[in-house]
Amino acid sequence: GAGVSQTPSNKVTEKGKYVELRCDPISGHTALYWYRQSLGQGPEFLIYFQGTGAADDSGLPNDRFFAVRPEGSVSTLKIQRTERGDSAVYLCASSPDPGGGYTFGSGTRLTVV
Amino acid sequence: KQEVTQIPAALSVPEGENLVLNCSFTDSAIYNLQWFRQDPGKGLTSLLLIQSSQREQTSGRLNASLDKSSGRSTLYIAASQPGDSATYLCAVISDMRFGAGTRLTVKP
Repeated sequence: GAGVSQTPSNKVTEKGKYVELRCDPISGHTALYWYRQSLGQGPEFLIYFQGTGAADDSGLPNDRFFAVRPEGSVSTLKIQRTERGDSAVYLCASSPDPGGGYTFGSGTRLTVV
Repeated sequence: KQEVTQIPAALSVPEGENLVLNCSFTDSAIYNLQWFRQDPGKGLTSLLLIQSSQREQTSGRLNASLDKSSGRSTLYIAASQPGDSATYLCAVISDMRFGAGTRLTVKP
């Protein structure tokens, strides 16, 4: 696609529920990144994919968070047993190669009530 | 672990002023650095990407420089306009680390 697409743009869920956030990167971009941003702060790294594999998942805060990219394009970030502290904007970026410049999507605003 | 710091956290200037935003990083063995703009409630828009072999990049009224040895990058904005009001973030791409940003307000 022309840009990075993230869906949904907004998600409100109840505490304890499971959510999935989707990222559709720019066609041909092999590197895909997930970040989380809280109000007034910079993006916090979560996970980086190179192709289909998670090259670095050191930013995932705990085992409730998981991400996949089965065919090397679309990625899904999955959060189990959501907590109010998970509320944030989840940002996805793609890059033509590792170390190339990021192009970000518009983000998914997750609110856990 | 790479730490990225942006000072000041907020800056207010009158229209027309030239200004410099600062970004510092702790590990100088970086590959590249990217500057972004973020408007309230919006995603990040790329402004400039500086590769490690480059010293600076320019786009219109924006100029970004990189000094790896001192662990610093600066974003220079010439002749600021109210439309430049936004949060400016720097990122060490090779370490996937962002600063917290500088919130810029340009007053008419």
